[in-house]
Amino acid sequence: EIVLTQSPGTLSLSPGERVTLSCRASRSVLSSYLAWYQQKPGQAPRLLIFGTSSRATGIPDRFSGSGSGTDFTLTISRLEPEDFAVYFCQQYVSLPYTFGQGTKLEIK
Amino acid sequence: EVQLVQSGAEVKKPEESLKISCKGSGYTFTNYWIGWLRQMPGKGLEWMGTIYPGDSDSRYSPSFQGQVTISADKSINTAYLQWSSLKASDTAMYYCARRGETTGKFDYWGQGTLVTVSS
Repeated sequence: EIVLTQSPGTLSLSPGERVTLSCRASRSVLSSYLAWYQQKPGQAPRLLIFGTSSRATGIPDRFSGSGSGTDFTLTISRLEPEDFAVYFCQQYVSLPYTFGQGTKLEIK
Repeated sequence: EVQLVQSGAEVKKPEESLKISCKGSGYTFTNYWIGWLRQMPGKGLEWMGTIYPGDSDSRYSPSFQGQVTISADKSINTAYLQWSSLKASDTAMYYCARRGETTGKFDYWGQGTLVTVSS
């Protein structure tokens, strides 16, 4: 099983700031089968990024993903108030699909 | 518009059985795998298993194999997650989600079904 470790656990930031979230895999995620999801309180997760760097339908271009092998990042170029949420990474290169434990973005 | 609509919240006692549902619409239900995911209170996401409604082929996480059963009825575009004997530790939010056509990302999600197991 591929273990995904996200860091940091919580980030306190202000609207307008740039943020980079990290997701590290216990072994290589080949072919960049890595996705990112956003979850707001009381809501289902929403797909943001798939294939490491492709934005899902309707996702603003302030969200971008990058990385390869075992190290992946999600960057939000300029935080909007609606971006404060929990973010999860997921690998889908091999079963069982696994998720990171999440990074919570909170307003400073 | 792709939609996955899950059945409502459940409150059950330990050892009771339960079957929750997920109805798909707005796409060809038989062409996409449906996954079930667990989110325990205040925790992250865990993939439980996935089913292909076209032929009911299924895959389970080792953590959930034997603990739950995933099924589908393609005639009514519905997938199911069931337990034969609930435990208090099954208390969680359960989501169904559509898996991408060729890869394992989950592109559309149901609204979630909260299952509470308490004596």
